[in-house]
Amino acid sequence: DVVLTQTPVAQPVTLGDQASISCRSSQSLVHSNGNTYLEWYLQKPGQSPQLLIYKVSNRFSGVPDRFIGSGSGSDFTLKISRVEPEDLGVYYCFQATHDPYTFGAGTKLELK
Amino acid sequence: EVKLVESGGGLVQPGRSLKLSCAASGFSFNDYWMGWVRQAPGKGLEWIGEINQDSSTINYTPSLKDKFTISRDNAQNTLYLQMSKLGSEDTAIYYCARNLLYWGQGVMVTVSS
Repeated sequence: DVVLTQTPVAQPVTLGDQASISCRSSQSLVHSNGNTYLEWYLQKPGQSPQLLIYKVSNRFSGVPDRFIGSGSGSDFTLKISRVEPEDLGVYYCFQATHDPYTFGAGTKLELK
Repeated sequence: EVKLVESGGGLVQPGRSLKLSCAASGFSFNDYWMGWVRQAPGKGLEWIGEINQDSSTINYTPSLKDKFTISRDNAQNTLYLQMSKLGSEDTAIYYCARNLLYWGQGVMVTVSS
């Protein structure tokens, strides 16, 4: 199975700062069709996860442009510029290139 | 509006079975892959599996393949998760999702004697 390693485990931030989360895969996430199925989700406390980014860098409908996904191959990053209170929670990367699909262990974005 | 509502959770004894349902509305159910994800208390997300539009393809995470069965009824706009031989490790919130773009609110399953 593909292992997604997220760092850091927790990211203390000050509101208005930038935050960066890394997701590294145990193998390339480039699908045979050329697409890279790496997604980012945010789970706010007490809520279901919500999709932020799909195929590495595409923002889902309604997601603010302060969320920026980047990367390629097996190395990916989610950057959140100007962190706002509603951005706090646990971020998960997820790969849907290789069966079985897998999630990273999560990164908690919290206030300093 | 896309809506997914899970039901059927609760307290179940170890070794027993349980079937979860997910009622879908607000979209053409038979046009989409559907899936299940679970989250043990205080833990991360675990992908369980998915089913395609006509149930001809069903994929599972290997560790759950012999215990869990995903099915759907397109006439009833409902997704199912049949769980058998339940153990304490299966205690979790179970979410249904459409392509993981839209998620239900989740249903709690507690396995305990």
